[in-house]
Amino acid sequence: ILNVEQSPQSLHVQEGDSTNFTCSFPSSNFYALHWYRWETAKSPEALFVMTLNGDEKKKGRISATLNTKEGYSYLYIKGSQPEDSATYLCALRKDRGSTLGRLYFGRGTQLTVWP
Amino acid sequence: NAGVTQTPKFRVLKTGQSMTLLCAQDMNHEYMYWYRQDPGMGLRLIHYSVGEGTTAKGEVPDGYNVSRLKKQNFLLGLESAAPSQTSVYFCASRVFLSSYEQYFGPGTRLTVT
Repeated sequence: ILNVEQSPQSLHVQEGDSTNFTCSFPSSNFYALHWYRWETAKSPEALFVMTLNGDEKKKGRISATLNTKEGYSYLYIKGSQPEDSATYLCALRKDRGSTLGRLYFGRGTQLTVWP
Repeated sequence: NAGVTQTPKFRVLKTGQSMTLLCAQDMNHEYMYWYRQDPGMGLRLIHYSVGEGTTAKGEVPDGYNVSRLKKQNFLLGLESAAPSQTSVYFCASRVFLSSYEQYFGPGTRLTVT
């Protein structure tokens, strides 16, 4: 079992604020880091898959960075909107080995954006 | 494409009853997964499959069995349901290529009384 930690557990911001949260993971045997967006009563949707140290990915107002040497990834949301309210999950993929294809999920950061 | 579908969407069982949850995907994905989601626990892997006819245990396999007789279907069985299995169950699938994301189904909400 791997410890994938996400902080904070929950976050409440005002519309227009920018925000960021953290995913921490063991840096050994790193293969890929996934970010998912999970709205209430829906299924998780993939945001980013990051594999290289120093990777930066962007989708609209959401971006993510990756540091595999120190074992963390940041997710940033610029100018938060109420429709950004969701739980943001990160998941670690280790090396190929016996856990081929398996993701280890963090518990998520629940973001609420107030109008 | 329907993507990943799950049946049923909701179910209430009595302790000791059995049931099978069906996951189907039409994307020709090799890998399929069953997770459960409980408050404050995140997604926990129950069982997974890397191809037709093969399955493997995840973090929390006890009390569940799975089968992957056809590539597009992954079945999760509860032989004797217990209240501790009250949860939301998600199925996911992905292609063989290593870095690709998983695609999730809409979930099945199961209550065991």
